[in-house]
Amino acid sequence: DAGVIQSPRHEVTEMGQEVTLRCKPISGHNSLFWYRQTMMRGLELLIYFNNNVPIDDSGMPEDRFSAKMPNASFSTLKIQPSEPRDSAVYFCASRQQGRAYEQYFGPGTRLTVT
Amino acid sequence: GQQVMQIPQYQHVQEGEDFTTYCNSSTTLSNIQWYKQRPGGHPVFLIQLVKSGEVKKQKRLTFQFGEAKKNSSLHITATQTTDVGTYFCAGFNAGGTSYGKLTFGQGTILTVHP
Repeated sequence: DAGVIQSPRHEVTEMGQEVTLRCKPISGHNSLFWYRQTMMRGLELLIYFNNNVPIDDSGMPEDRFSAKMPNASFSTLKIQPSEPRDSAVYFCASRQQGRAYEQYFGPGTRLTVT
Repeated sequence: GQQVMQIPQYQHVQEGEDFTTYCNSSTTLSNIQWYKQRPGGHPVFLIQLVKSGEVKKQKRLTFQFGEAKKNSSLHITATQTTDVGTYFCAGFNAGGTSYGKLTFGQGTILTVHP
């Protein structure tokens, strides 16, 4: 299995631009998570989906952030407009639904907003 | 909401010394997981503890789950340079739904001096 796939791996953009991060979960996993990691705030859960349905988006910073999961094999996290404080590493993770299962993280997207 | 605190935030050791990181939850956990993130990498699952007072070992790593299921620890015996990284605990709230999300601690950054 290829594991969780994220693209792009690195993104550099200017303030005000739209940014779209992409994630392909492991086949058969029906829970998907988006995290943001910074030195100051650590690993923050932004939103998670079960069976393509958003369950908890309380971690989404503000309306500039949106996430979709149109099908079981694809999810996007969009930031519009981007700001320098959005610079971070964004991880996508997936797992089988339920507490007994481990989460598999993707390699992350390093976002830099100048 | 549920909070998971980890201490220490940083730990510097000489190779061969032992290392311990502690995790405390504000609420009773149903189970707890531990992850390791190498520098520049993504979190990788290490182990899950479910039972009160449970102890599990992986070579030089020993994991414990407290009797009250509100705390946990990871102990590394005779650290090696390959142990360098950030160690996260993450727990499921015992009162949560089966859809539940993992709440991650802030992590302990371990550096090992050869």
